[in-house]
Amino acid sequence: QVQLQESGPGLVKPSQTLSLTCTVSGGSISSGSYYWSWIRQPAGKGLEWIGRIYTSGSTNYNPSLKSRVTISVDTSKNQFSLRLTSVTAADTAIYYCARSVWDFDLWGRGTLVTVSS
Amino acid sequence: QSALTQPPSASGSPGQSVTISCTGISSDVGGYNYVSWYQQHPGKAPKLMIYEVNKRPSGVPDRFSGSKSGNTASLTVSGLQAEDEADYYCNSYAGSSNWVFGGGTKLTVL
Repeated sequence: QVQLQESGPGLVKPSQTLSLTCTVSGGSISSGSYYWSWIRQPAGKGLEWIGRIYTSGSTNYNPSLKSRVTISVDTSKNQFSLRLTSVTAADTAIYYCARSVWDFDLWGRGTLVTVSS
Repeated sequence: QSALTQPPSASGSPGQSVTISCTGISSDVGGYNYVSWYQQHPGKAPKLMIYEVNKRPSGVPDRFSGSKSGNTASLTVSGLQAEDEADYYCNSYAGSSNWVFGGGTKLTVL
């Protein structure tokens, strides 16, 4: 079955760029009419949708993060990626990748990213 | 956009029913039938429990049901079991290719 796995640095310095990759296994990222999303969760807090991408490269972003977020896709590697610039401590969270259409039906296990000097 | 409003906590005894509310506005919950609910156990990823207001994915027990009236959606868990103790989050499409989550409700099985 299809599985998602996040990867990337667990520690990022303030003002730098957070970069994460989600690898899709057990199926092609291009099959079906799915979007691929990033969602984050600060420790002990709720979920926040960051944005999504279609395999054509079409993207949508949370308006509150839009100026700092870029999501890209590499269909040859069955991966999609997140870049978040100018990070602060407020960006410390567990970052999840997820498959989506109108809901989020498949999630990765999440990866903790801490912003600290 | 603002997060959807959920009660911070809910509780019930085994076998009882509990309902968790999720209040938004006319441009999110009230405007679309794209409300979903997620269950999250400690240290785990969220799991889709209800989509499009009242539909259950394969494998989700029929003890879980969803509904919507106006700007408020609800998740009902009937016949509470110990394993239902978890955090629950609602989510709604908010228009303009944007999605918003609720703040989460911690469900305790007494």
